[in-house]
Amino acid sequence: DAGITQSPRHKVTETGTPVTLRCHQTENHRYMYWYRQDPGHGLRLIHYSYGVKDTDKGEVSDGYSVSRSKTEDFLLTLESATSSQTSVYFCAISESGRGSQETQYFGPGTRLLVL
Amino acid sequence: LAKTTQPISMDSYEGQEVNITCSHNNIATNDYITWYQQFPSQGPRFIIQGYKTKVTNEVASLFIPADRKSSTLSLPRVSLSDTAVYYCLVGARDDKIIFGKGTRLHILP
Repeated sequence: DAGITQSPRHKVTETGTPVTLRCHQTENHRYMYWYRQDPGHGLRLIHYSYGVKDTDKGEVSDGYSVSRSKTEDFLLTLESATSSQTSVYFCAISESGRGSQETQYFGPGTRLLVL
Repeated sequence: LAKTTQPISMDSYEGQEVNITCSHNNIATNDYITWYQQFPSQGPRFIIQGYKTKVTNEVASLFIPADRKSSTLSLPRVSLSDTAVYYCLVGARDDKIIFGKGTRLHILP
């Protein structure tokens, strides 16, 4: 399995508080992604990174920001958590970012509950 | 981006071969077909990828007809541990793959 860890694995927080999720990889892959998974919606891309300090938005980026200061770490921040951000968050990595030809490797996920 | 259609759910029995078909009528010339597997409480895991004809690995086979408008993931002799959601992905939007809702495969003893 690809060396991807996510922390924390579970978190309960209150509406309006900031939350930061961390993804750490040991594969030295260039591309990193944050997804959220909700019942009825499948996996949706929040933000992704194509290198250190290079990030871009996915399809559901509102309310989220990201940072990547090192190849191995990709942080997802909810500036002011809302109940609609209760979800399971997955980090993924890939070598190439070559669209349909690429293979993404996923982390174990973080379950976030916003009360 | 090619629209994919796959069954919402399937049931099968241990020891059977399971075939999950995905239709993708508007697949583009340079699109690859990729299948991922997701167990409960885990992230998706890459199973197999192909462009045309047949691809086989230690986990599954992928059959792609000449017109590439569909593909079939074949899991030989399934066990209870193959119960999972299986996603068919075709193409990408702005170079980013898109996950649909997948097929929930339930293996019965």
